[in-house]
Amino acid sequence: QSALTQPPSASGSPGQSVTISCTGTSGDVGGYDRVSWYQQHPGKAPKLMIYEVTKRPSGVPDRFSGSKSGNTASLTVSGLQTEDEADYFCSSYGGSNNYVFGTGTKVSVL
Amino acid sequence: QVQLQESGPGLVKPSGTLSVTCDVSGDSIRNGRWWSWIRQPPGKGLEWIGEIYHSGTTHYNPSLKSRVTMSVDTSRSQFSLNLNSVTDADTAVYYCAMNGPWAAGEDWGQGILVTVSS
Repeated sequence: QSALTQPPSASGSPGQSVTISCTGTSGDVGGYDRVSWYQQHPGKAPKLMIYEVTKRPSGVPDRFSGSKSGNTASLTVSGLQTEDEADYFCSSYGGSNNYVFGTGTKVSVL
Repeated sequence: QVQLQESGPGLVKPSGTLSVTCDVSGDSIRNGRWWSWIRQPPGKGLEWIGEIYHSGTTHYNPSLKSRVTMSVDTSRSQFSLNLNSVTDADTAVYYCAMNGPWAAGEDWGQGILVTVSS
């Protein structure tokens, strides 16, 4: 199963919004509402930010939101803050008891 | 809040077996969640290796299935990963994680760097 496709980088100024895409196939992203997003700061473990496309774990700011259309999922970070600068990875259930991750996007806050 | 801690050798020889263990605390390993192993080569993305349930039922990434074995010891609140016939390409930070609802990793360990080198 191939990795989901994400843009290598994205950026925005403090207070602005940035949206990251995650493109898969009908066998993963498009076939299930089981997309999750992770934030990873350098040298740290990933942190779950979104699960089941749109749901936020307790403690995750509502500035983070997820959506999906067809085979592409998206993560939007509104009101960018300096601490949002990190790598972001999407993941999807891929059927047959399998998960696949995205290629990752480095978000810079200018 | 569950805590996870990986342990194991940081250096493995090519063609050898990589073995990593994850200690679970703060919650029961029988809490109804699946437990995953995920790895990240230096400077690269994440790769799901597989998952295990407290009953011992496993699911593996098809690309690694022939080389992976996972096990669980509920009495010690631990689960483990064995990856055999390793090469340089298996050098990575190995994370253990507790799955969330359809998410391969709700809570994560800090990760352990395992280097494959002679």
